[in-house]
Amino acid sequence: NAGVTQTPKFQVLKTGQSMTLQCAQDMNHNSMYWYRQDPGMGLRLIYYSASEGTTDKGEVPNGYNVSRLNKREFSLRLESAAPSQTSVYFCASRMNPAGANVLTFGAGSRLTVL
Amino acid sequence: QQQVKQSPQSLIVQKGGISIINCAYENTAFDYFPWYQQFPGKGPALLIAIRPDVSEKKEGRFTISFNKSAKQFSLHIMDSQPGDSATYFCAASIRTGANNLFFGTGTRLTVIP
Repeated sequence: NAGVTQTPKFQVLKTGQSMTLQCAQDMNHNSMYWYRQDPGMGLRLIYYSASEGTTDKGEVPNGYNVSRLNKREFSLRLESAAPSQTSVYFCASRMNPAGANVLTFGAGSRLTVL
Repeated sequence: QQQVKQSPQSLIVQKGGISIINCAYENTAFDYFPWYQQFPGKGPALLIAIRPDVSEKKEGRFTISFNKSAKQFSLHIMDSQPGDSATYFCAASIRTGANNLFFGTGTRLTVIP
C-alpha cells in the first residue's frame, strides 16, 4: 500500500537547469496537487488537477508547469530553476476535489538550486 | 495574503502538559477545518478535522475547539508526550470548492521528557 510516491527525494540543481518531479498515487484518487513548503510560509499550492485531463494554477504557479499524465501520475516541471525555488515539494491526492475528504501527502522532494 | 493565520510558530511543553495551537481565518465561506501533523522527513498527515456546525471535536488526547463568531479555532493536545513532537498545520477549505486547502504557517511542537 504505497499511497503517494514522489521521486526523486533529493535533488541539487544549478541555476537555469531544468528538472521534473514525478508523483504517482495508487489510491484511485481523482484529484492531485503540488505544494511547496518553506520555513515560516507553511504549505502553498503550486498547481492542482481536479480530475484527469484538467490542471489549474494555485497560489504560487510562476516558474512551474505540470502534466497530468493519467489518473495516477502528476508531474511538476521546473524549466529554468532559480534559487527562489529551493524548497521541499509535496505531492498530494484526494478522492474528489470538493468535500471533506482526506488529502494524502507523499514524503516530499527536497530541491536545492545553487 | 495568508488565508489562515497560525500561532505560535514554535512551542515547548513539558511531558504531561497541555499544548495549545491557535488559528484564525477571515473567509466566512470556509466550512472545513482540518489539522495536519508532520514528522521530520515525512509528509503531513491528517490528525483531526471539524466542521463549523459543532464547537468542539475530540479524538483521544486531541481536541479541536471552534469559535465561529470569532473565526478562530484551536488544537489542544492533552497529556502531551514526546512522541507528539512534530509540526502541526491548521487548514481551511470550502467543501464545495474546486480545489484547495489553505494552510497555516505551522507550529513546531517540542515535548520535553
